[in-house]
Amino acid sequence: GNSVTQMEGPVTLSEEAFLTINCTYTATGYPSLFWYVQYPGEGLQLLLKATKADDKGSNKGFEATYRKETTSFHLEKGSVQVSDSAVYFCALTRGNQFYFGTGTSLTVIP
Amino acid sequence: EPEVTQTPSHQVTQMGQEVILRCVPISNHLYFYWYRQILGQKVEFLVSFYNNEISEKSEIFDDQFSVERPDGSNFTLKIRSTKLEDSAMYFCASSGDRGYSEKLFFGSGTQLSVL
Repeated sequence: GNSVTQMEGPVTLSEEAFLTINCTYTATGYPSLFWYVQYPGEGLQLLLKATKADDKGSNKGFEATYRKETTSFHLEKGSVQVSDSAVYFCALTRGNQFYFGTGTSLTVIP
Repeated sequence: EPEVTQTPSHQVTQMGQEVILRCVPISNHLYFYWYRQILGQKVEFLVSFYNNEISEKSEIFDDQFSVERPDGSNFTLKIRSTKLEDSAMYFCASSGDRGYSEKLFFGSGTQLSVL
């Protein structure tokens, strides 16, 4: 079947620290991969995506590379800010459906 | 940027009661979805809706659930007789011009608590 597994949180980092949130997937065929972010009190928003192997999605200083050999799509940012505090969801699409992970809560402290 | 609006943000109900969760999708969107997230679990697909009918639904979406677009702007999810296990955050989403557009716009969710 299709599923996404992401690292459990919560994650707490100091401002300017390096961030990695791990995500691995199981899917038939070649899914598209996404990271969505949910800021407090808001809906899920698309952060970045990659549609084929070796593609790198990037936005707002965040990056993730579609690794087919390791079935992974880890989210990274070199220097986090307090404003990055949110819940991050890894997801894939197959057919007409999205499959989400459980979400990883990130808190960045000044 | 246009947004999807959900009301109420929190809903508390007694087991066995009917609830209606409301959503106003982005006005020119054609595809509408409901997802839910039970605390600590994954965000799960419930149902998709296009052209005034259900296009796809998951195993979770049984006879207790129904969706409706009553007036061309609202998109509602009804649970006829709530159970304790229906307690979750329910997210509405909409997308534009394709049945599986890769950019879903989500609302901020309705937290449903069944007592």
